[in-house]
Amino acid sequence: NAGVTQTPKFQVLKTGQSMTLQCAQDMNHNSMYWYRQDPGMGLRLIYYSASEGTTDKGEVPNGYNVSRLNKREFSLRLESAAPSQTSVYFCASIPPDRGNSPLHFGNGTRLTVT
Amino acid sequence: EDQVTQSPEALRLQEGESSSLNCSYTVSGLRGLFWYRQDPGKGPEFLFTLYSAGEEKEKERLKATLTKKESFLHITAPKPEDSATYLCAVGQGAQKLVFGQGTRLTINP
Repeated sequence: NAGVTQTPKFQVLKTGQSMTLQCAQDMNHNSMYWYRQDPGMGLRLIYYSASEGTTDKGEVPNGYNVSRLNKREFSLRLESAAPSQTSVYFCASIPPDRGNSPLHFGNGTRLTVT
Repeated sequence: EDQVTQSPEALRLQEGESSSLNCSYTVSGLRGLFWYRQDPGKGPEFLFTLYSAGEEKEKERLKATLTKKESFLHITAPKPEDSATYLCAVGQGAQKLVFGQGTRLTINP
């Protein structure tokens, strides 16, 4: 089992460029999440998908869009990248809630916007 | 508003020198407090979940405890491989988790 796989691992964009961050999980989890992690700050939720076919905004959704392609895949799109979106992005998934299950994280995508 | 504060921001210890990390929180309707370990360049890795005041959980050299306002992660006789950033998170389910900023722990041999 690979768990949660994120691609790419690193990316450099120029302001205004677009890109899609990919995430796939092979644990048959229902819910998937996108977080960003910035120095000195806690992980912040961008968007989540409680189940296939649904998506909802998290704490910091502005400038992002998401697609839950199927049960395994959840992508994050930056339509017009800005320097403020320089961050490390983590995808996570969680099994059906059996008493507050913990998140399973991927190893992140480090994005730099110049 | 739910808040989580971890202290200290960074901690350096000698191998074998025990200490504790703190996670203070304010949250309405706590459904769980989570501890994660994060190595450089990696995603957070789950360590513990605590649900109610007085609860304790242990794993190797780590023990997590919980009160109504804070949680401690006690590290006993640490080794260099325990060096990592330790994250605390609280909330009312995964969609409402609030993460602390983490404590960066360094264990010198």
